[in-house]
Amino acid sequence: QKEVEQNSGPLSVPEGAIASLNCTYSDRGSQSFFWYRQYSGKSPELIMSIYSNGDKEDGRFTAQLNKASQYVSLLIRDSQPSDSATYLCAVPRPMDSSYKLIFGSGTRLLVRP
Amino acid sequence: GAGVSQSPSNKVTEKGKDVELRCDPISGHTALYWYRQSLGQGLEFLIYFQGNSAPDKSGLPSDRFSAERTGGSVSTLTIQRTQQEDSAVYLCASSQRGGEGYGYTFGSGTRLTVV
Repeated sequence: QKEVEQNSGPLSVPEGAIASLNCTYSDRGSQSFFWYRQYSGKSPELIMSIYSNGDKEDGRFTAQLNKASQYVSLLIRDSQPSDSATYLCAVPRPMDSSYKLIFGSGTRLLVRP
Repeated sequence: GAGVSQSPSNKVTEKGKDVELRCDPISGHTALYWYRQSLGQGLEFLIYFQGNSAPDKSGLPSDRFSAERTGGSVSTLTIQRTQQEDSAVYLCASSQRGGEGYGYTFGSGTRLTVV
């Protein structure tokens, strides 16, 4: 089992729709969770972090965390073509003194005009 | 600096040559990480620095890879006797401090091509 798993996609949604991106992680001890956006040919950009169960909203983005199910998701409301990118879920390895982030392989999102 | 700066942005080298990649983190960030991303692949951790120390080198793929950080700031990743499988984008990231709950800011990366 991979430490951080994401569906590779592509997830295709029409402009204006809600895009739902999902991530599962294997280590119950993880306490912080991050979403990065990576445009083709660019480096990852941190867009959301979440630490507590429930929802966290920032503009059109909502991160959802369910530690019991070891599941974190990212919702993008009113999707725009400019949201087309690969979205990476990242989780630190809790027993690791470096707290280095373990990244999922990413979900490619395509927003159709 | 305002962001994480990496140089060069692109490097083409011949197999067997040594290369040095540079990273200048955000001012005041004590934690620095190197990752690499091969074409179509995920991000692979290489090494973590806290200050000038490297408590986690577990991701370095072979003894051809080494890194150092000086003055708690600039870091250099050195690859000796490069091989074609070393071709990848090498990404540096910094964080205010190492530890749970701190996300990274990535630099724009160095694209290394070994021919």
